[in-house]
Formats: sequence, C-alpha cells, structure tokens
Amino acid sequence: DARVTQTPRHKVTEMGQEVTMRCQPILGHNTVFWYRQTMMQGLELLAYFRNRAPLDDSGMPKDRFSAEMPDATLATLKIQPSEPRDSAVYFCASGWTGNQPQHFGDGTRLSIL
Amino acid sequence: GESVGLHLPTLSVQEGDNSIINCAYSNSASDYFIWYKQESGKGPQFIIDIRSNMDKRQGQRVTVLLNKTVKHLSLQIAATQPGDSAVYFCAEKREGSYIPTFGRGTSLIVHP
Repeated sequence: DARVTQTPRHKVTEMGQEVTMRCQPILGHNTVFWYRQTMMQGLELLAYFRNRAPLDDSGMPKDRFSAEMPDATLATLKIQPSEPRDSAVYFCASGWTGNQPQHFGDGTRLSIL
Repeated sequence: GESVGLHLPTLSVQEGDNSIINCAYSNSASDYFIWYKQESGKGPQFIIDIRSNMDKRQGQRVTVLLNKTVKHLSLQIAATQPGDSAVYFCAEKREGSYIPTFGRGTSLIVHP
C-alpha cells in the first residue's frame, strides 16, 4: 500500500534551534496538508498545498514557521527558532482535490527543551 | 462559529459488542464526511466516508450513518475487537472547500 512518509519520527532539541520536518506524499496526490496535534488543541491545520502551491497557511505562526514543496515528492515544514510551546506531533497528509479522504503519515513527535 | 464535535470523549465496550461513536456537526453546508481511526503513535487512518447525498454506507464491520436533519453522524463497529481500541475522529468538509474540519475525537476502549 502507498503511504505518506514522514521523517524524522522523533526529534528532541533545545529551544532556539532550527527544526526541519520532511514529508513524502503519496505519488500522484495533488494536495498536501501539515497538521499539528496536541492534547489541548487536537488537530490544527498549519498549511495546505495544491499542485505544490501554498493556498492556506493561516494556521501557521508566520514569524517562525515556514512550509514549502520544493518538488512533488517532498514537502517541508521548518521552525526557526523553535520554542518549547512548539512541542507536539506534526502530521503530513496528502490526497486529491474534491471529496476524497486525506492519507496521513505517522507524524514527527517534536520535543523542544 | 461552525464546528464539529463529539458527544462522548470515551467509550468502553466489551469485546464482541457493537460500538457506536457519535459526532455532531453544525455546518449545514457540509457535503462530505469522513471517519478516521488513530492508534497510539500513528497517524489518523481513513476508515470510511460518506457524501451528503447518502444516509448510510457500509464497509467491513463498519457502518456510517448520516442524519442531515439533525446534523448527526455516527460510526457503528460490529463485533468490536481489541484491535479496534483507538481514538476515532470525524471530519466534515464544507461544499466548495478543500479543507476538512476535524472533531476532537472519541477514545474507544475494548475490554477482552
């Protein structure tokens, strides 16, 4: 079965450091989503791409977060500088436009000390 | 504002029983609904979906029911197994939007 692949699975770093999370969407999918999951907030949408173009990043703190798709096989989410409140599980999902389900990766568990 | 929410945060059942997980939505313009299962340490996994022109859809051991009159969605799991223990999320998508809205989730605990 095709899967969304996220790396790294776990990341522990000190506050102030740059963090880069990577996602390989399912081949052929034309939409990519980045989510953050915490116990308090649940699943929050950070960014949305369609055909590699960013269409919605209203949920993302612009001063420290950035999301890109350098090519169709790679999506990245960067945090610089990282803060303890960024500690969460970050999920990438891909899919097709229209009424189709998203397919999620297994996430990057991020801990900022 | 518009939101998707779940009635019960935790549901405990005995193995072999049928489980029903409920979800209320408030956006009458929603035209597509999805159920996901999330096991510990993993991402949400697609289970079943339903479009607003349907009121019932069945999969393997799962059935989704949609009641648009009262804006209610439910997931029924037949003969629940310990492997069904997980958090279940409903999500709804408004007509014309590409972005689904997720509920907070219900934790299903299956006792052997």
